[in-house]
Amino acid sequence: QVQLQESGPGLVKPSQTLSLTCTVSGGSISSGNYYWSWIRQPAGKGLEWIGRFYTSGSTNYNPSLKSRVTISVDTSNNQFSLKLSSVTAADTAVYYCARQAMVRGVISFDYWGQGTLVTVSS
Amino acid sequence: QSVLTQPPSASGTPGQRVTISCSGGSSNIGRNSVNWYQQLPGTAPKLLIYGSDQRPSGVPDRFSGSKSGTSASLAISGLQSEDEADYYCAAWDDSLKGVVFGGGTQLTVL
Repeated sequence: QVQLQESGPGLVKPSQTLSLTCTVSGGSISSGNYYWSWIRQPAGKGLEWIGRFYTSGSTNYNPSLKSRVTISVDTSNNQFSLKLSSVTAADTAVYYCARQAMVRGVISFDYWGQGTLVTVSS
Repeated sequence: QSVLTQPPSASGTPGQRVTISCSGGSSNIGRNSVNWYQQLPGTAPKLLIYGSDQRPSGVPDRFSGSKSGTSASLAISGLQSEDEADYYCAAWDDSLKGVVFGGGTQLTVL
């Protein structure tokens, strides 16, 4: 059973860089045809996809966040990370990591982390 | 402003059938399949429907999905109190080259 767990600071100051890590257990992050994504959800609002990387090493980012986002992988620790620079209060949200898998030719988020709240405040 | 449009709320009584719509465009729903996610209060989203009309194992057959043109729908029959949750549609957008979500629909079981 694949499990994902987010970790990182719960409070980040404005203009600084938000850094989160997702630790994957129950399977290798570097094997199989999977995408590893970050998604966020401001309180009381909907889901926003941030970006993903594929096991081949390619990445896709939300165009609205692309200039500030970096997603990287640490295969030795079976983790992937999110860095979001120049944060403002608008980046306050619950951040989820999730896996996308292809089933019958369709890609969907099949496993999610529990989410971690990040607040941007001085 | 979400790329995919959903009604903000829906409601029904136990046993009823409710539908939730998701409207998109030619670059997303018009070309790609739709996935639906259920988010119970205080929890992470859970995959409910993939490929527009396929149910993952473990999802009751009370839940069904469909797609036509640039719109999709989620239907829940035999509504139960535990179905009270937020529901999100999602699809790949070929123009944006990313995943787009609907704004979510809050389902209330009266």
